[in-house]
Amino acid sequence: QQQVKQSPQSLIVQKGGISIINCAYENTAFDYFPWYQQFPGKGPALLIAIRPDVSEKKEGRFTISFNKSAKQFSLHIMDSQPGDSATYFCAASGIQGAQKLVFGQGTRLTINP
Amino acid sequence: NAGVTQTPKFRILKIGQSMTLQCAQDMNHNYMYWYRQDPGMGLKLIYYSVGAGITDKGEVPNGYNVSRSTTEDFPLRLELAAPSQTSVYFCASSYSGGRDTEAFFGQGTRLTVV
Repeated sequence: QQQVKQSPQSLIVQKGGISIINCAYENTAFDYFPWYQQFPGKGPALLIAIRPDVSEKKEGRFTISFNKSAKQFSLHIMDSQPGDSATYFCAASGIQGAQKLVFGQGTRLTINP
Repeated sequence: NAGVTQTPKFRILKIGQSMTLQCAQDMNHNYMYWYRQDPGMGLKLIYYSVGAGITDKGEVPNGYNVSRSTTEDFPLRLELAAPSQTSVYFCASSYSGGRDTEAFFGQGTRLTVV
């Protein structure tokens, strides 16, 4: 069963545009929502994360928006650059004694120069 | 610091063969994890360990075994390889299991079973 649903599967954005990736979760016990960035041939790397007690978190050009009542969260990349071209995964985990991440399906983002 | 190191990077197995995927971390992390990544499916947790001598199943453990004899190493064993185990395998580690704890991933092992 897919507990975290991510969309779109692929996204093409022009340089300087805004990239938006959306995720929805089902398990209300989740309390940590990270986004991971993965370049070809590499492992995922933490990009930014949010807890459900805040509605937005911003780090540089990357912003997470969180809607607890709708059980949705999204990643916004402002002023998208070709170097941002990668696969992005949203994830979620709960208080379980281990950082057992449940991942979304991934979004392949391409930024055209 | 090398972080999380996985070996080998690539491997082709025949159906029924066995192999061990190696994972080592030099960050003194207590928690370690194995995930598999299938196209269009994201990553799924196979097994995890909260410390030496302690392991537990994740979402997709069938066909795999693990052991954790030291803090540094967390090998993943495939006993009878099947085509369904063709995937990219990622090992990860974290200092603790608490929220806000970052998980660090290795570069992955691409396994093909033919």
